[in-house]
Amino acid sequence: EVQLVESGGGLVQPGGSLRLSCAASGFTFSSYWMSWVRQAPGKGLEWVANIKQDGSETYYVASVKGRFTISRDNAKNSLYLQMNSLRAEDTAVYYCARDVGDYWGQGTLVTVSS
Amino acid sequence: QSVLTQPPSVSAAPGQKVTISCSGSSSNIGNNYVSWYQQLPGAAPKLLIYENNQRPSGIPDRFSGSKSGTSATLGITGLQPGDEADYYCASWDSSLSAFFGSGTKVTVL
Repeated sequence: EVQLVESGGGLVQPGGSLRLSCAASGFTFSSYWMSWVRQAPGKGLEWVANIKQDGSETYYVASVKGRFTISRDNAKNSLYLQMNSLRAEDTAVYYCARDVGDYWGQGTLVTVSS
Repeated sequence: QSVLTQPPSVSAAPGQKVTISCSGSSSNIGNNYVSWYQQLPGAAPKLLIYENNQRPSGIPDRFSGSKSGTSATLGITGLQPGDEADYYCASWDSSLSAFFGSGTKVTVL
């Protein structure tokens, strides 16, 4: 059974940093592109970033370029999102998703507030 | 403002059909596949359609997808109360970014 489990969310002050993790199981993690998608409270979905199977290519939505870094550890079947210089508008539930979104985690809430 | 435009809401009675449109441009829908997702209240999104019109295993054939030019459409036939949810289209862009539509709330009357 494919499972994606996010962790690392929480309350952080503006300008702070947070690292999200996504533990994958039930499939060959190293064979798939992986993505982070977020959803602000009461709002729609927004794609944040994705990463190629071997980590050699990464892409970001314009609003997070230079602040967020997506990475992966195929030996640990894990996906990460390092978030720096956080802003109030980054407040959202962050989901990790496999490939075109055929599987999603349950999400982890990030709240940026003083 | 989303790159992909969807109607905010659609509604129909049980058993009826609804269609949800997703309008984009040549830099996204016009030259890339479209996916559709269902998000039930309080839940993570679920893939309904990929590659314009393909259904993952387990998705009933009441759900269908199509694409023409720079627009795509999701159809739901035999509407059921359990279909009340938010629906999102998504497509890649020539900038190698992905975009979701603005979302459409389906109400079963």
